[in-house]
Amino acid sequence: DAGVIQSPRHEVTEMGQEVTLRCKPISGHDYLFWYRQTMMRGLELLIYFNNNVPIDDSGMPEDRFSAKMPNASFSTLKIQPSEPRDSAVYFCASSLWGIQPQHFGDGTRLSIL
Amino acid sequence: GNSVTQMEGPVTLSEEAFLTINCTYTATGYPSLFWYVQYPGEGLQLLLKATKADDKGSNKGFEATYRKETTSFHLEKGSVQVSDSAVYFCALNNAGGTSYGKLTFGQGTILTVHP
Repeated sequence: DAGVIQSPRHEVTEMGQEVTLRCKPISGHDYLFWYRQTMMRGLELLIYFNNNVPIDDSGMPEDRFSAKMPNASFSTLKIQPSEPRDSAVYFCASSLWGIQPQHFGDGTRLSIL
Repeated sequence: GNSVTQMEGPVTLSEEAFLTINCTYTATGYPSLFWYVQYPGEGLQLLLKATKADDKGSNKGFEATYRKETTSFHLEKGSVQVSDSAVYFCALNNAGGTSYGKLTFGQGTILTVHP
């Protein structure tokens, strides 16, 4: 079975540029989560969707961050403009019915210079 | 609100040693409890889970028992291997209220096993 697929795996870009991270959840899963992981702050939940609808975006750090889920098989997390402090590993996860275990992608390692 | 507290790391052990990573939680109702493992450069993987009191989750030699009376879910392994070196996260999912679907994670415990 295909797991959660994230792209790109690595992204290096300059401050001020727009960054778009992509996620394909496991087919049939109705919950999708975006996390950020850093050494300083650990694992943070940014936003999550149920049936393509955002349920809780209280973890989104600033208006520079936005997330969309146009259909059940695709989601994006966008940062515009990017800043060096956005450097982190961003994970996407999906689950069935919300109470089932979450399945994580391998993450996108983002470096903002 | 929900919270998870893990023992602070890092934990360093020799191969074949006994492992315990403590995890306690605060939650209303009857949460499901999980242990996730993260190997270097990878995402989190589900290691084991328990959905009700006194359930024991087990996988790859790891075990954890859901103790409602002590609100704990400690991870144990009788004999660790070098390949167990990773970061371990305890987490809960409370199906009640506004947090439905969200995992609450502990801060993670780094485990290093030496030959």
